[in-house]
Amino acid sequence: SQQGEEDPQALSIQEGENATMNCSYKTSINNLQWYRQNSGRGLVHLILIRSNEREKHSGRLRVTLDTSKKSSSLLITASRAADTASYFCATENGGFKTIFGAGTRLFVKA
Amino acid sequence: DTEVTQTPKHLVMGMTNKKSLKCEQHMGHRAMYWYKQKAKKPPELMFVYSYEKLSINESVPSRFSPECPNSSLLNLHLHALQPEDSALYLCASSTPPGTSGGSLFTDTQYFGPGTRLTVL
Repeated sequence: SQQGEEDPQALSIQEGENATMNCSYKTSINNLQWYRQNSGRGLVHLILIRSNEREKHSGRLRVTLDTSKKSSSLLITASRAADTASYFCATENGGFKTIFGAGTRLFVKA
Repeated sequence: DTEVTQTPKHLVMGMTNKKSLKCEQHMGHRAMYWYKQKAKKPPELMFVYSYEKLSINESVPSRFSPECPNSSLLNLHLHALQPEDSALYLCASSTPPGTSGGSLFTDTQYFGPGTRLTVL
């Protein structure tokens, strides 16, 4: 079964607004990663947060992790049209097996 | 160089054809992965190679045959595919567990652009 579940499935916002995406997972993890995918292209790694971390920042991205609730959130601040993409969380709980969530499709209107 | 390359970009094949997908990286990563992704779905892990040895096979049908001829190359040989095998096939690489500063955990995976496969 899928490890990560994301909501919302789709999100449409205006340029300049913030976008928040959430990810929930079921089992214990070693780390959680967020990836971006432009339509029909490969995935681009955005940020990795380890199970002993609670928050990480990278540029306009802020990721939080709550292991007690088995959830994570990705916040994109001051969104741009170029942020339009699908965003996936991915969990890793040992070894090589990274399991991706269903993804959130973000559309940023100029 | 943090690039993973995949060829071809697009492939159309019949159900009786034999074709191969290729993936290459020069980041010194010793773990390489094949994923399958259907439209509007997340990537699904197919195979993992670590130090050129098959580590994970996620119960993939035998019509998909992976090969890792050296530490930089990963192939996926295709034979007698079905139309439902049409998808985006993604290759990725990373440092294997135990080699990322002593971490036991998989490091960031770097993905190629994918091969769009259509089976007629």
